[in-house]
Amino acid sequence: GENVEQHPSTLSVQEGDSAVIKCTYSDSASNYFPWYKQELGKRPQLIIDIRSNVGEKKDQRIAVTLNKTAKHFSLHITETQPEDSAVYFCAARSTASKLTFGTGTRLQVTL
Amino acid sequence: GAGVSQSPSNKVTEKGKDVELRCDPISGHTALYWYRQSLGQGLEFLIYFQGNSAPDKSGLPSDRFSAERTGGSVSTLTIQRTQQEDSAVYLCASSLENTGELFFGEGSRLTVL
Repeated sequence: GENVEQHPSTLSVQEGDSAVIKCTYSDSASNYFPWYKQELGKRPQLIIDIRSNVGEKKDQRIAVTLNKTAKHFSLHITETQPEDSAVYFCAARSTASKLTFGTGTRLQVTL
Repeated sequence: GAGVSQSPSNKVTEKGKDVELRCDPISGHTALYWYRQSLGQGLEFLIYFQGNSAPDKSGLPSDRFSAERTGGSVSTLTIQRTQQEDSAVYLCASSLENTGELFFGEGSRLTVL
């Protein structure tokens, strides 16, 4: 089955700096890669996703890149703000299989 | 309702008792997942239902755990003879299609005394 590794487990950045979270996956058949944000005490919510037919996707201050050859994908947050502080989960899935999550990254944006 | 609904939101039980947790997915969503999240930890996969296919039960931690999904809609997660290590938030999620966005419920917080 799919195995997703995520790094780092914790990340602290100053407000305004960029944050990068990286994930690797094992199943070359995986074709869907979402990122979820979970604020303290809240449910996880999708913030951005990418499919295997594109290499990069942006939405305002967040972007995701995908390298299918190396089987890794990354989340980039620019101009970080205190409200970006949360736990971020990457995930991967191939068609007709379950979504497998990474172990999460706790992002702390300090003033 | 508009979102995934879970009940109860909080459950306190004594060790050895059985508990049932319920999930009402978004109408029409064919995929349904159960995850467990201990305090400050990640999302531990438990079970996955997709349409009429046999469920993927590979994440269930022991035979005390079981789940069913009736009529392709509501799902119930049952934990028998609860143990203190079962204490966690149990999250249910559903998606429209196999490759769609997962929508999570608010979770059921289980405390086993």
